[in-house]
Amino acid sequence: EVQLLESGGGLVQPGGSLRLSCAASGFTFSSFGMGWVRQAPGKGLEWVSFIYGDGSATFYADSVKGRFTISRDNSKKMLYLQMDSLRAEDTAVFHCTTGSSLRSGPEYWGQGTLVTVSS
Amino acid sequence: DVVMTQSPLSLPVTLGQPASISCRSSQSLVNSDRNTYLSWFHQRPGQSPRRLIYKVTERDSGVPDRFSGSGSGTDFTLKISRVEAEDVGVYYCMQGTHWPWTFGQGTKVEIK
Repeated sequence: EVQLLESGGGLVQPGGSLRLSCAASGFTFSSFGMGWVRQAPGKGLEWVSFIYGDGSATFYADSVKGRFTISRDNSKKMLYLQMDSLRAEDTAVFHCTTGSSLRSGPEYWGQGTLVTVSS
Repeated sequence: DVVMTQSPLSLPVTLGQPASISCRSSQSLVNSDRNTYLSWFHQRPGQSPRRLIYKVTERDSGVPDRFSGSGSGTDFTLKISRVEAEDVGVYYCMQGTHWPWTFGQGTKVEIK
């Protein structure tokens, strides 16, 4: 059974940093692209970033480019999102996602971790 | 960015009756590999989204056959042949052809 367990969310001041982690199990981690999708409170879904299975390529939404960094450790089956220069508008639940082809939409979602950016 | 426009945004439905949600993209979703990366998701309150349909018409394992997807190019539709109580929630379309991949605004389905 595929499981994705996010951690690292919390309350942070504007301009601060946070690192999200996602522990994956139940599938061949290095064979799957991984991504982060966020959902602001009461709002819709937004792709933030994704990374190839071998880590050779990364993609970012314009809203986070230059501030967020996605990475993975295939030996530990872990996905990360380093978030710097956080803004109030980054407040959201961040979901770790994966699937055989993320272009086709994530088949698997974690339960999400809440990031709140506020002073 | 490709804008995904769903309609309606709110859909009151009667149990046992059909329902339909439209999704239009601002650009063609036909990819260079000839696939059209349009998928549909269902999200219940307090839960993570669940994928229902991918590549326009392909239904995910375990998804009831009352759900079906159709369309091409820039116009797509999700149909529920007979709405059941468990179908309430918000439905999103998503395009995966052009980065950044984008979602529609969501359609809230509720029982009348």
